Amino acid sequence: GQQLNQSPQSMFIQEGEDVSMNCTSSSIFNTWLWYKQEPGEGPVLLIALYKAGELTSNGRLTAQFGITRKDSFLNISASIPSDVGIYFCAGMNYGGSQGNLIFGKGTKLSVKP
Amino acid sequence: NAGVTQTPKFRVLKTGQSMTLLCAQDMNHEYMYWYRQDPGMGLRLIHYSVGEGTTAKGEVPDGYNVSRLKKQNFLLGLESAAPSQTSVYFCASSYSRGTIDGYTFGSGTRLTVV
Repeated sequence: GQQLNQSPQSMFIQEGEDVSMNCTSSSIFNTWLWYKQEPGEGPVLLIALYKAGELTSNGRLTAQFGITRKDSFLNISASIPSDVGIYFCAGMNYGGSQGNLIFGKGTKLSVKP
Repeated sequence: NAGVTQTPKFRVLKTGQSMTLLCAQDMNHEYMYWYRQDPGMGLRLIHYSVGEGTTAKGEVPDGYNVSRLKKQNFLLGLESAAPSQTSVYFCASSYSRGTIDGYTFGSGTRLTVV
């Protein structure tokens, strides 16, 4: 089946630093998604990308849909303690049996005040 | 508006016991999903439903059964629990499959099988 490779697995950064994480796939997706999960909660959607090359921002978060449709990255600028959590990428295709979410394994972010 | 509600939030089972996890949504969504999340892993799809009375297998269906007797509820059953089923289970619902519109996750059920 389809697999997503997400890196890095974990990051320990100082408050105020920028963060970058990425996701690659062996097959193409029509939609790339970035989620954040906090302890004891389900994933919450941060950014959705629908078109190859698309660059989308949500506050201090910026994500891009790779031109090959096989990758995506997420940047967080000027990190703050509340950015702590696990960030997941996910891919989705339209219609039929392909219309389900495929998740990466996550990037665990720790922010030191 | 509660969104997606999962019950129970925590449960400990003995090997061989059975149980049912309940997912309820109040958004009139057609599609519902059950995922499991293991340490260091992303969410993996167990089963899903495209409407009342219908279910389909996802990536990791073995050892689980599901039912969607009412549109708002999606039940996940473990007939004979095994330690390998220790995991956090997430339910989700959406307007349709293949679109992220309205795709909402519950807060999870942490299941331990001893």
